[in-house]
Amino acid sequence: KNEVEQSPQNLTAQEGEFITINCSYSVGISALHWLQQHPGGGIVSLFMLSSGKKKHGRLIATINIQEKHSSLHITASHPRDSAVYICAAFSSNTGKLIFGQGTTLQVKP
Amino acid sequence: GAGVSQSPRYKVAKRGQDVALRCDPISGHVSLFWYQQALGQGPEFLTYFQNEAQLDKSGLPSDRFFAERPEGSVSTLKIQRTQQEDSAVYLCASSSGLGSYEQYFGPGTRLTVT
Repeated sequence: KNEVEQSPQNLTAQEGEFITINCSYSVGISALHWLQQHPGGGIVSLFMLSSGKKKHGRLIATINIQEKHSSLHITASHPRDSAVYICAAFSSNTGKLIFGQGTTLQVKP
Repeated sequence: GAGVSQSPRYKVAKRGQDVALRCDPISGHVSLFWYQQALGQGPEFLTYFQNEAQLDKSGLPSDRFFAERPEGSVSTLKIQRTQQEDSAVYLCASSSGLGSYEQYFGPGTRLTVT
């Protein structure tokens, strides 16, 4: 079992839909990243959070430390949101980022 | 530059060749990380530098992989006698290291071994 697991692995949505991507982790963490990766492109950090909730534009990230769970929400989704979204937990034990396998999102017009 | 840069962006090597991948971190960033991302997978940790010191190389898959950061800025990941299983995207990230967990990623180098 991976230490960081994401669901779903693949997600197809219609433009305008509300999207949720989930991340569960089994290790103690200092912080958690949500990252975006476009095909052929590098990785962009969307959020880093260690508690509560953060919002940036149409993106919202939440984390529940007790339940070891985080979610990334996209409101009013748009085709340009199509990308791979990766959850990465910063292990408080090892000091390393542990990555989920990613969620491939396709938003259709 | 403002961000992390990597070169080359794409590299095709014949099996058995040696390759060298370069990472230019954000100026002044103390910490530098190398990750390997196989197709359809999340990145996996390879190695970590703090300034010029390689503090953790536990993720390097074999002794064919070698990384250095001699002056504490630019880093090179070298792969000797490449094998097909080395085909992946190699990502570099840097962090200020001043109590910050945030890492800034480069565009990656896509290595294809034929």
